Amino acid sequence: QVQLQQWGGGLLKPSETLSLTCGVSGVPSSDYFWSWIRQSPGRGLEWVAERNPDGRVGYNPSLQSRVTISIDTSNNHFSLTLNSVTAADTAVYFCHGSWTSQGRDWWGQGALVIVSS
Amino acid sequence: EGVMTQSPGTLSLSPGERATLSCRASQSVSGSVAWYQQRPGQSPRLLIYEASTRATGVPSRFSGSGSGTEFTLTISGLQSEDSAVYYCQQYYWWPVTFGGGTKVEIK
Repeated sequence: QVQLQQWGGGLLKPSETLSLTCGVSGVPSSDYFWSWIRQSPGRGLEWVAERNPDGRVGYNPSLQSRVTISIDTSNNHFSLTLNSVTAADTAVYFCHGSWTSQGRDWWGQGALVIVSS
Repeated sequence: EGVMTQSPGTLSLSPGERATLSCRASQSVSGSVAWYQQRPGQSPRLLIYEASTRATGVPSRFSGSGSGTEFTLTISGLQSEDSAVYYCQQYYWWPVTFGGGTKVEIK
């Protein structure tokens, strides 16, 4: 059974750095697509960043200058870093593992991040 | 960027009725479309991938169709537990994009 357990987030002040980590169990983190998706209060889903099995990374163009996704295959987890946060970054952040074209799809429990002075 | 536009914004139907949810892509995404269900306070759940393939464990009343730029999710015989927001997603290219969602309410 594949499980994604995420940690990090909480209350941040504007200009601080957001760090989130997602632990993967049940499949090797060297395989599959690993991504971060966020959801602002009362809003829809927004793709933030993704790493594909070839090691290439993709970022939401609106966040590209501030965001980094990384993976630690030896510890089977992947992480998100978002610099210089503002109130607009307030959201629930989900980690997500997938190979959608094969119907493989797993989600973390979500982590609420609030940016406020 | 493949903008995904969903309609309608809200559907209010009675149990047993059929729900038809639409999703339009701004440019062709071939068949690389997924549909997700999200209930309040929960993570999204994959229902349909490759436009028309049901994910493991998804009831047969959920079906997907379409290709190119027009896609449809149909829920035949609505049940109370189908009350949720449904999102389409294209994964044909980066950035991956989601539609704005359709809220299905059961009367």
